[in-house]
Amino acid sequence: DAGITQSPRHKVTETGTPVTLRCHQTENHRYMYWYRQDPGHGLRLIHYSYGVKDTDKGEVSDGYSVSRSKTEDFLLTLESATSSQTSVYFCAISSIARERNSYGYTFGSGTRLTVV
Amino acid sequence: KNQVEQSPQSLIILEGKNCTLQCNYTVSPFSNLRWYKQDTGRGPVSLTIMTFSENTKSNGRYTATLDADTKQSSLHITASQLSDSASYICVVSGGLSGGYNKLIFGAGTRLAVHP
Repeated sequence: DAGITQSPRHKVTETGTPVTLRCHQTENHRYMYWYRQDPGHGLRLIHYSYGVKDTDKGEVSDGYSVSRSKTEDFLLTLESATSSQTSVYFCAISSIARERNSYGYTFGSGTRLTVV
Repeated sequence: KNQVEQSPQSLIILEGKNCTLQCNYTVSPFSNLRWYKQDTGRGPVSLTIMTFSENTKSNGRYTATLDADTKQSSLHITASQLSDSASYICVVSGGLSGGYNKLIFGAGTRLAVHP
């Protein structure tokens, strides 16, 4: 999607290794989010950021950490990957807080992560 | 518990036919309801968003309805095209906690349009 890119698009890694996924935006939006999508489940929020160096946990944050040192970049790190973290990861950005009406909630194209 | 349930899980229709997807939610308090389209290998893209006071919203061949009393929404697709093949996700914003509403996602309905 225009204005938001995720890298890598695909990754296979071994259990126990650290993995970092990157989300980059060119929209200068304040809010950034990391979700995971698994078959039979809706997207679930892992972590979100409401500004540079301001982050908070979502509903499935265990085993994940994030960092945001610049407005445009939001990194998701799996400290020690496990098979249960095999999933498709989506980054999203929005210009205003989640609690208000927002058409400006844009998703990236996703990163498919496989942990073997 | 705040939940969003969608039905059916999957659906196959012929090109040119109409179809209706259902969404039931138990999110409280309610802020708004969104429908997203997700093509295979892509992120979700917004189709419509409705607040409590709106009971219908259209976007081209897509028409969403909302009944806030029964906590139900539907997405109607008219004159389906092959390009409508995708997953359709119902998302409810609400469940205010700590000053923020959450986005609660349904698991989606996978629609296949066949020629």
